[in-house]
Amino acid sequence: QQQVKQSPQSLIVQKGGISIINCAYENTAFDYFPWYQQFPGKGPALLIAIRPDVSEKKEGRFTISFNKSAKQFSLHIMDSQPGDSATYFCAALSMNTGFQKLVFGTGTRLLVSP
Amino acid sequence: SAVISQKPSRDICQRGTSLTIQCQVDSQVTMMFWYRQQPGQSLTLIATANQGSEATYESGFVIDKFPISRPNLTFSTLTVSNMSPEDSSIYLCSVTGAGNTIYFGEGSWLTVV
Repeated sequence: QQQVKQSPQSLIVQKGGISIINCAYENTAFDYFPWYQQFPGKGPALLIAIRPDVSEKKEGRFTISFNKSAKQFSLHIMDSQPGDSATYFCAALSMNTGFQKLVFGTGTRLLVSP
Repeated sequence: SAVISQKPSRDICQRGTSLTIQCQVDSQVTMMFWYRQQPGQSLTLIATANQGSEATYESGFVIDKFPISRPNLTFSTLTVSNMSPEDSSIYLCSVTGAGNTIYFGEGSWLTVV
C-alpha cells in the first residue's frame, strides 16, 4: 500500500516533443505528490508538486495532471529540451499524519535527443 | 528553500571501516531525514533524525549499522558502520522546509572497496 508505481523506466523524446511520465498509488492517505529531477552527480531537486484538491498544476513547461479517483498522477514536459535529460522521480506522502515520509517511485530516465 | 550542505561529498572507503556523514542546514528545521540511493536505483528512507531523542529507523535499517545523531535543529550526522561493498551508495540528507516542502542535499557518494 505504501508503493508508488512509476512508468516508463526510460524515455527518449525528440527535442520539442512532449515527455510524459506516469505514477500510480494505492494509499488514499497520501495528500502531497511532488516530482523531483535528478541530474547525474547531483541530489534530487524539487521540480513541481500538487495536492489532491486540484486536478492540474502548471509551472512553465512542466505540468502535473492528477486523477484522484484513479489514484494516478503524471508529469508532462512540454517542448522538451536536451537540458531536461535527467532522471525523474515521483513521490507521495501523507502530510496529515505529521510524519512526513516520502515514498518514491522507481524513477524514469529521460533522454531528449537534439 | 532550505540550503543543505553535506560532507563529505564523495569518498572511497576500505571494507570494515566506518564513515560519518555530516548534514548542515542553513535554518532551523523540525524534520530531518536520511535516505540511501543505491546505484541506478530510487531513494529509500533510512531513518528520521529526531532532535533530542533516538532516530526512528525504517524496516531493514538498524541503529548499530547506521547510528544517527541530531544535536540541534540545524545539524545531523549519519555513520555507516563496518562498511561492505554493498554499502556503496549515495547517502542523502533531507529536510522539511517552509510550506512543508521537502528538500535534499547534494548527497555523499560512498564507494567501498
